[in-house]
Amino acid sequence: ETGVTQSPTHLIKTRGQQVTLRCSSQSGHNTVSWYQQALGQGPQFIFQYYREEENGRGNFPPRFSGLQFPNYSSELNVNALELDDSALYLCASSFQGTSTDTQYFGPGTRLTVL
Amino acid sequence: DQQVKQNSPSLSVQEGRISILNCDYTNSMFDYFLWYKKYPAEGPTFLISISSIKDKNEDGRFTVFLNKSAKHLSLHIVPSQPGDSAVYFCAASVEDYGQNFVFGPGTRLSVLP
Repeated sequence: ETGVTQSPTHLIKTRGQQVTLRCSSQSGHNTVSWYQQALGQGPQFIFQYYREEENGRGNFPPRFSGLQFPNYSSELNVNALELDDSALYLCASSFQGTSTDTQYFGPGTRLTVL
Repeated sequence: DQQVKQNSPSLSVQEGRISILNCDYTNSMFDYFLWYKKYPAEGPTFLISISSIKDKNEDGRFTVFLNKSAKHLSLHIVPSQPGDSAVYFCAASVEDYGQNFVFGPGTRLSVLP
């Protein structure tokens, strides 16, 4: 059983650029959630995808968007990067219909915006 | 406005003693609570959860206590081991199938040998 993987591990971008982060869900999982973790803070919910459709969204602007593919892998896209977007981005996969404690997190992608 | 607070950024405990990590929340709608542990360069790992219909849940060395009237929960680790050294996040949700966890800022636990 493969775990949740994310790529790339680290990324450096400049203000105004666009970035795509990728996540491969754990085998058998059909739901993926994305979180932003700023330095010294806990993860903040960005959105969740279930069966390729957005299934809930946190307090993030529309320049944060996502995709989920038929194989349940996922992308997080951020347009018009701002300095405050510098953070660790975590994805978590789960099987919809189970309790919330069965979300499995990936190791994260650390994004630095200069 | 933080809905989930962990007021101790760090905690040091001697190996073999009890570790108590605290968490307070403001949203009375929260009815499901979880603790996650995070090692450096890894994603958070689920540790233990509790539903608002209970006031205690135990799993081996880990026990979570919930005081709904005080909007407070705590995680007890007994006995503490050096491998428990990590950042611990408290998280809350409105329903146990909810997709929107609200996390606290975390407490860094150091267990000293």
